[in-house]
Amino acid sequence: AQRVTQPEKLLSVFKGAPVELKCNYSYSGSPELFWYVQYSRQRLQLLLRHISRESIKGFTADLNKGETSFHLKKPFAQEEDSAMYYCALGQGAQKLVFGQGTRLTINP
Amino acid sequence: DVKVTQSSRYLVKRTGEKVFLECVQDMDHENMFWYRQDPGLGLRLIYFSYDVKMKEKGDIPEGYSVSREKKERFSLILESASTNQTSMYLCASSPTGSNRQPQHFGDGTRLSIL
Repeated sequence: AQRVTQPEKLLSVFKGAPVELKCNYSYSGSPELFWYVQYSRQRLQLLLRHISRESIKGFTADLNKGETSFHLKKPFAQEEDSAMYYCALGQGAQKLVFGQGTRLTINP
Repeated sequence: DVKVTQSSRYLVKRTGEKVFLECVQDMDHENMFWYRQDPGLGLRLIYFSYDVKMKEKGDIPEGYSVSREKKERFSLILESASTNQTSMYLCASSPTGSNRQPQHFGDGTRLSIL
């Protein structure tokens, strides 16, 4: 079965420190992976997708098929990065399977 | 800009009531989704629709039904509300394309069943 695991429910780092939000997936085929973000009092929105291979708001994520991981990284955290982050795996033609989410808090 | 609108931000209902949650999108998207969002559980798919009058069960359909009579509108129905259905409900839509397209979410409806 397809599954996404985000092992950290809560993550707290200081401003300027590096951030890594972990995501592991279980899927036998060629995965499509996404990170979605929900800032306080805003709707859930796409942050980035692995096929784009781009950096959004300083965040990057590399697909590691050997480790079945898609960790989200940022070298220098900013206070505005505080949010809820969800990793998601494509399922079928249109659906997504979401992880449990990680609440990131950036301390000043 | 894609707009997904959920009819209510907050809703309070009583056990046993029939509850309707409405979602409208304005971008002519083929696909629409209903999720529950619970702390520690993430988003779980309740139902999915890929076309008018078409629906597919998600991971947790029990106690819910859906209706898609028009392309822009996707309704979630709690047939007989129970307290364990107290949750945040998110609606999303996406177009069908050659590659998987991102899902666009509404603001959510926080439903409390008393």
